[in-house]
Amino acid sequence: DVKVTQSSRYLVKRTGEKVFLECVQDMDHENMFWYRQDPGLGLRLIYFSYDVKMKEKGDIPEGYSVSREKKERFSLILESASTNQTSMYLCASAGWANEKLFFGSGTQLSVL
Amino acid sequence: DAKTTQPNSMESNEEEPVHLPCNHSTISGTDYIHWYRQLPSQGPEYVIHGLTSNVNNRMASLAIAEDRKSSTLILHRATLRDAAVYYCIPEGEYGNKLVFGAGTILRVKS
Repeated sequence: DVKVTQSSRYLVKRTGEKVFLECVQDMDHENMFWYRQDPGLGLRLIYFSYDVKMKEKGDIPEGYSVSREKKERFSLILESASTNQTSMYLCASAGWANEKLFFGSGTQLSVL
Repeated sequence: DAKTTQPNSMESNEEEPVHLPCNHSTISGTDYIHWYRQLPSQGPEYVIHGLTSNVNNRMASLAIAEDRKSSTLILHRATLRDAAVYYCIPEGEYGNKLVFGAGTILRVKS
């Protein structure tokens, strides 16, 4: 079975801290995604990567950056965490045709 | 821009069929329609996808209108474990990215 692993299930950070959320997939997928999910707003796409070192902005990239140095790993970076970035963060991966996305179990980030 | 609309919520009785509608009136001819669902406290999971003709798998069936402006996800016999948020995602709205909307909250009554 495909496995998408997010490094932390729960994370608590302080305002202004630099935060790294890590995601690793084991199926040699080309495409990887970062979403955030907030009550009443559904899933919103932050960034998308279709190859190593390639990235595209999603709906809400402001305040975030990403890194994809290796095919299996896609990192989401909060350069200076703010309270409005408190959210559930979900990583997903898929083959080049996006036929089926596989999601990790999510990281609940709280910024205090 | 393409626009996808789904009901905010639906309710079903256990063991009965459920038809979840989705309108995607501006979808292009080569874009697939994907359906995902999200169970409580979990990440979304793939349900089914299709292009033109109806599709079936072990989880559900997908009926796509002839003009492709709408589709319907069919759960043949709803169980309590099917209670989830169901997302209809036409490709092509944002290039190669799959963008989730608010989805439909399905409640299943015993």
